[in-house]
Amino acid sequence: QQKVQQSPESLSVPEGGMASLNCTSSDRNFQYFWWYRQHSGEGPKALMSIFSDGDKKEGRFTAHLNKASLHVSLHIRDSQPSDSALYFCAARRSSNTNKVVFGTGTRLQVLP
Amino acid sequence: EAAVTQSPRNKVTVTGGNVTLSCRQTNSHNYMYWYRQDTGHGLRLIHYSYGAGNLQIGDVPDGYKATRTTQEDFFLLLELASPSQTSLYFCASSDGFNQDTQYFGPGTRLLVL
Repeated sequence: QQKVQQSPESLSVPEGGMASLNCTSSDRNFQYFWWYRQHSGEGPKALMSIFSDGDKKEGRFTAHLNKASLHVSLHIRDSQPSDSALYFCAARRSSNTNKVVFGTGTRLQVLP
Repeated sequence: EAAVTQSPRNKVTVTGGNVTLSCRQTNSHNYMYWYRQDTGHGLRLIHYSYGAGNLQIGDVPDGYKATRTTQEDFFLLLELASPSQTSLYFCASSDGFNQDTQYFGPGTRLLVL
């Protein structure tokens, strides 16, 4: 079964708007989380990592992690058409394994 | 920027055929990975390796073999391809340390008829 669930499956926001993507894990052992973005015809590319509870901000992107509730989110402010892509949440259990589990993805469309 | 290349970019084969997908990374990374991407399933790990000669089993290994010949090169082998293996395949590499961001190649689209 999928151990990393993402919601919503797809999302449309207007240009300049806020996009919020969610990720929930069913495995309490996941300790390390990433957000990846994949544009059409390309491979995924890492956006940001978050390993500690709380917020992490990088430019227009803010990730939030709450390990107690097994929830991580990504918020994109001032969304641009170039942000239209497939977004994946990824999780890893501990530092002695490099096996990462990816979610099923959220497709974001930013409408001009 | 880390560099991962894959070949071929597109491949068509018939059921029962042999296919080899190639991946090369020039990042001096220890870890390399093979994933398949299918709608509704996201990215699923097939095999991975932490160095030349090493192979670790992923989450969906059935029907696939892999071999890491050098630190740079990682191959995925489908010896008796089946239509269920029609998919988009990605190779990735990472340094294996705590930040451990994975760098992905451009993908190989495989169609098994």
